[in-house]
Amino acid sequence: QSVLTQPPSVSGAPGQRVTISCTGSSSNIGAGYDVHWYQQLPGTAPKLLIYVNSIRPSGVPDRFSGSKSGTSASLAITGLQAEDEADYYCQSYDSSLSGHVFGTGTKVTVL
Amino acid sequence: QVQLQESGPGLVKPSETLSLTCTVSGGSISSYFWSWIRQPPGKGLEWIGYIYTSGSTNYNPSLRSRVTISVDTSKNQFSLRLSSVTAADTAMYYCARHENSAAGDFDYWGQGTLVTVSS
Repeated sequence: QSVLTQPPSVSGAPGQRVTISCTGSSSNIGAGYDVHWYQQLPGTAPKLLIYVNSIRPSGVPDRFSGSKSGTSASLAITGLQAEDEADYYCQSYDSSLSGHVFGTGTKVTVL
Repeated sequence: QVQLQESGPGLVKPSETLSLTCTVSGGSISSYFWSWIRQPPGKGLEWIGYIYTSGSTNYNPSLRSRVTISVDTSKNQFSLRLSSVTAADTAMYYCARHENSAAGDFDYWGQGTLVTVSS
């Protein structure tokens, strides 16, 4: 039932930069609702990584950055590290559903 | 530091009602929105619904007919009831706090509890 589309997987070598896209529509991201990103390490609960499109909570390395434009958003990881191997989800609010929506999820693999 | 802890049966029979409670510690439950979110094994996240501490609720349309979320501010707890469960409701169930609005991000999450629907 995900209405936000992400690539299933992205990969990169240590030190490289990877980006994850999150594509929505005019009823969620395009309607002006903020996008938030979560990191889910294996066997753990999701952790807030980026909120309100581009703000990092305290303790999140500045290697992680977010942006939003039109009906899409992106998460970038620069200087990729082995510990970044995880699943990443975007999240927003949808006016048509009157509720929260998550992205399909992206698995990041460090080669 | 706010902490959330889910509790409830790990096994529910088909057609019965799933009941979970989320206990909030390290802070007050008041004046925040609180959500339930689930994740089937190997799959993505699905928002189930939220409640404000006044008792107002909002549910995922796909689950609305079967979901009830309630709050007990005196116990710093909120609860989920999902009726007429099937195998498709087998999932890790998380409770989470909205940081500052109904439509905002989830800044604190419980560790999750796995609920299996099976006879």
